[in-house]
Formats: sequence, structure tokens, C-alpha cells
Amino acid sequence: DAGVTQSPTHLIKTRGQHVTLRCSPISGHKSVSWYQQVLGQGPQFIFQYYEKEERGRGNFPDRFSARQFPNYSSELNVNALLLGDSALYLCASSSIGGTTDTQYFGPGTRLTVL
Amino acid sequence: RKEVEQDPGPFNVPEGATVAFNCTYSNSASQSFFWYRQDCRKEPKLLMSVYSSGNEDGRFTAQLNRASQYISLLIRDSKLSDSATYLCVVINAGNNRKLIWGLGTSLAVNP
Repeated sequence: DAGVTQSPTHLIKTRGQHVTLRCSPISGHKSVSWYQQVLGQGPQFIFQYYEKEERGRGNFPDRFSARQFPNYSSELNVNALLLGDSALYLCASSSIGGTTDTQYFGPGTRLTVL
Repeated sequence: RKEVEQDPGPFNVPEGATVAFNCTYSNSASQSFFWYRQDCRKEPKLLMSVYSSGNEDGRFTAQLNRASQYISLLIRDSKLSDSATYLCVVINAGNNRKLIWGLGTSLAVNP
């Protein structure tokens, strides 16, 4: 079985641009979470989606948005990019989305904003 | 006070050593606890869940101390391949189902 997949693996953008990151969860998993990880820090929670509905939102500005599709894949959109948005963006899937679920991470998308 | 705190290290130990990390959490209502391992420039991968009774997986032992609000990870007979960052994760009760991550503890096992 394929694990969590993310695309693209690397991305370079300039300030003010918009970016869309994509994630496909493990087959059968209905929950997707997005994290931002800056070098030297732990992942910071951005969003969780379960059954196409937003289940949780971290402390990120409205420039960050996401959605989940009927096939449970997900997109993370970031508008008006800032230099500080440069980070590794991780997607994690879990089977139920409850508090005790184990999350499985994709390889991440490394975003560089110039 | 941060919700989840870890000593960032780095911990430098020789092969074969035993090393232990602690992770403290502030919310006494926290329900679930995990240790993840992250290699440089890779995604985190689940190492083990932490159960109230403690659990062991080979050379790795995880413990939960609810009274003092910390979890621990013990690695025995360290291998070079254990070099990584170890992240603790706490999940709180309630409608907010987000995972709260520590900043990680860096371990370097030296020959």
C-alpha cells in the first residue's frame, strides 16, 4: 500500500505569490492534517480535515486555507506568501481523526519563499 | 510555559550507551502521548505510543508519569542509526483534536 503522498516535493516562490500544496492520504484514511515545520522546531498544526469538514485550525492567518475532497485528498493554499512561510509543510493522515489516532506523515513539501 | 517542553540537546553518546529523554506537558487533562523520530530533512515517523502502564519495544522503553506530567523515552544499547531528533506529542481531551508537538531532542550516537 502506498503511504501518504505529497506534491510537489520542493517549491520556490517569491513574496506575494500564491501556492497550492497537495496531499493524498493512506488508502482508507479519512482524516488529513497539515503542519508547518520550520528548521529546528517541531511541527506546528495548521488544519485538520475529516470527512471533508474542518475539524481543527491552528494559530495561522487567514492567508492559509485548506480543503478536503470526496476522495479524502487535500489541498493547502497559502496566499500572499511571506519570507517567513518558508518551511517544510507536512501532511499526515489518520484513520478516524479522533484524539487517539496515530498520524502517518508524508515526505513533505519544502517551500522556499524568496 | 509551553504546553509541551523538551530539552533540545544535543545529546552526544557513544555506541552502546543508555540514554533517556523526558518531555513535560502542562495540561493535566492530556489523554494520549507519543514519541516520534525525525531524521534530518525527513518527515516524522511514529516510534511508539506511550501507555499508562509503560511499554517496551526492543531497546526502547516509554513511560508516562501523570502525577509529574511527563513522559520519558529510554534507549538502551544505542546504535549509530539511532541518531535523530525525537519528538514528543501530546493530544488533549475535548473538541480541539490537534496534536501538540515538542520541539524535539537531538541525539547523536558516536562510534
